[in-house]
Amino acid sequence: DAGVIQSPRHEVTEMGQEVTLRCKPISGHDYLFWYRQTMMRGLELLIYFNNNVPIDDSGMPEDRFSAKMPNASFSTLKIQPSEPRDSAVYFCASSLYPGQGYEQYFGPGTRLTVT
Amino acid sequence: GENVEQHPSTLSVQEGDSAVIKCTYSDSASNYFPWYKQELGKRPQLIIDIRSNVGEKKDQRIAVTLNKTAKHFSLHITETQPEDSAVYFCAASLNTGKLIFGQGTTLQVKP
Repeated sequence: DAGVIQSPRHEVTEMGQEVTLRCKPISGHDYLFWYRQTMMRGLELLIYFNNNVPIDDSGMPEDRFSAKMPNASFSTLKIQPSEPRDSAVYFCASSLYPGQGYEQYFGPGTRLTVT
Repeated sequence: GENVEQHPSTLSVQEGDSAVIKCTYSDSASNYFPWYKQELGKRPQLIIDIRSNVGEKKDQRIAVTLNKTAKHFSLHITETQPEDSAVYFCAASLNTGKLIFGQGTTLQVKP
């Protein structure tokens, strides 16, 4: 398996633009997580899905952020409109159902810069 | 909700020395405690984990201990090497799959 795949790896955009980050989880994994990492706030969970259904979105900063998982092999995180404070590395991770093992496998991340 | 505190935020040791990173958690129902290592510019990767029914687990030079009564757990790295230099994150989880991460410890191993 290729592991968790994220695209793009780097994104530079201007304030006010829409940004869409993409993730393909490991095949067979039931859980998908979106994290944001910054120096100031560390590694924050934004939202996670179980079997394509959002379970906990309490970490989503505000209405400008939205996430979808239309099928088991694809998820998106959208920011509209983007702001400079959204600059961060965004990680997607996936895992099997907790009863079988908790390890979360992280993707390579998307480094987002909003100017 | 669950909260995880991690100390120290930075740690510098001489090659060959031991390093210890400590974490405390708030929710006594948490039952899974992984440790992730993140090298500069890379993704976090699991290095060791422990479940609440176990007090200690060891894998070569790394070990994790868990004290459920005190609600704290620690990562021990012995005979540190320069390649151990990285940021280490502890985390805690209830039986939901959701991990709550500590703030991270930057470990520097000086040759």
